[in-house]
Amino acid sequence: GENVEQHPSTLSVQEGDSAVIKCTYSDSASNYFPWYKQELGKRPQLIIDIRSNVGEKKDQRIAVTLNKTAKHFSLHITETQPEDSAVYFCAAKPSTGRRALTFGSGTRLQVQP
Amino acid sequence: DARVTQTPRHKVTEMGQEVTMRCQPILGHNTVFWYRQTMMQGLELLAYFRNRAPLDDSGMPKDRFSAEMPDATLATLKIQPSEPRDSAVYFCASGLVLGQDNNEQFFGPGTRLTVL
Repeated sequence: GENVEQHPSTLSVQEGDSAVIKCTYSDSASNYFPWYKQELGKRPQLIIDIRSNVGEKKDQRIAVTLNKTAKHFSLHITETQPEDSAVYFCAAKPSTGRRALTFGSGTRLQVQP
Repeated sequence: DARVTQTPRHKVTEMGQEVTMRCQPILGHNTVFWYRQTMMQGLELLAYFRNRAPLDDSGMPKDRFSAEMPDATLATLKIQPSEPRDSAVYFCASGLVLGQDNNEQFFGPGTRLTVL
């Protein structure tokens, strides 16, 4: 089955700096890669996703890149703000078969004001 | 603004008691997931259903856990008997899957379970 590894487990940046979180996956059949943000005590919420027919997707200060050859994808947050502080989860899923999303272990991002 | 709802939001029980958690997926969604979240294990998939049929429950301890969808508006997760190691936050999520399209999963607020 799929195995998703996520790094780093914790990340502390100064407000205004950029943050990068990286994930690798094992199943070459995976073609859907969402990122979820979970604030303390809240539910995970989708912030951006990418499908394997594109290499990069951007939404304001958030961007995701995908390298299918190397089987890794990354989340980039620019001009970080204190409200970006949360746990971020990457995930991967193939389009066929019965498997649901496989989540990474999460990255706790702390943005220092 | 359609949302997944879960009840109860918090549950404290004693070891050996039965626990039932309920989830109402977003109307029209055909896929429902149950996850368990702990500090050590992150988000673990316990089971999921499509069109009310179980597709995968390999992540669920079968001896004490059971998941059902009695109808399209209700999913349940039961633990009997509960143990202290079951203490965690249990999330339900729903989504709409059409053909081979992968779409967003919407999470409920979770049930925080404490087994003493």
